[in-house]
Amino acid sequence: GENVEQHPSTLSVQEGDSAVIKCTYSDSASNYFPWYKQELGKGPQLIIDIRSNVGEKKDQRIAVTLNKTAKHFSLHITETQPEDSAVYFCAAAGGTSYGKLTFGQGTILTVHP
Amino acid sequence: DGGITQSPKYLFRKEGQNVTLSCEQNLNHDAMYWYRQDPGQGLRLIYYSQIVNDFQKGDIAEGYSVSREKKESFPLTVTSAQKNPTAFYLCASRIDRGVDEQFFGPGTRLTVL
Repeated sequence: GENVEQHPSTLSVQEGDSAVIKCTYSDSASNYFPWYKQELGKGPQLIIDIRSNVGEKKDQRIAVTLNKTAKHFSLHITETQPEDSAVYFCAAAGGTSYGKLTFGQGTILTVHP
Repeated sequence: DGGITQSPKYLFRKEGQNVTLSCEQNLNHDAMYWYRQDPGQGLRLIYYSQIVNDFQKGDIAEGYSVSREKKESFPLTVTSAQKNPTAFYLCASRIDRGVDEQFFGPGTRLTVL
C-alpha cells in the first residue's frame, strides 16, 4: 500500500518568513495530493491540493509543488503569520484507493510574532 | 448550513464497554470515512463506505464496527475488543463523482477509563 513520509516534524519560523514542508510517497499510482491544516482540538481543514497532471498550484500565500518522477511534493507558505501556527498534514490518494487518503505524520508549525 | 457533524465532542467510557460515535453529513456526499488520530501521529483509516449498505475495512479495523443504513449517517462503534481505544476520532466525507476533496468533521475525543 501507499506510504507517505513527511518532514520536518516541527518547524519554527519568524513572522514574515517562508515555511516549507516536504512529503514523499511510495505508490506511483497516487494522483491526488491534498494538504490539511489542523488547529488544536479541531478536525483537519483542506487548504490546498494538487493533482498529478499539474506541477504547481498557488492560492494567495500558499503553494504546492509536485515532482512525480521523484515522488515528492511540498507545501510552501510565504509571509507567515501567527495565525498560520497549526499542525499541517500531507496526504496521497489515487489509483484504486477509492478516495482513501494515506497521511503523513504531520508538521507542527509555529510562527513567532 | 451544510457540513459534517460529530457528536459528542468528548466521550468518556469505562473499559469493557462498547461505545458508538455519531457522524452525520448534509452535503449529499456518497463516500464517508472514519479515521483515528493519536498524539503526534497522522490519521489512520478505520473504515470507509462508498455507498449505502456497503462498507470496507481500512488499515486498523480490528475492534471497530460501522453501519451505513442512510446516506447521511455513518456511525462508528468502538467495541471492547479494541485494545487501545482512547484517541481522537475523525469522520470525513467525499462526493465521490470524480472529485477527490475529502472534508472532515470536528472530531470526537474518546477517553476510556
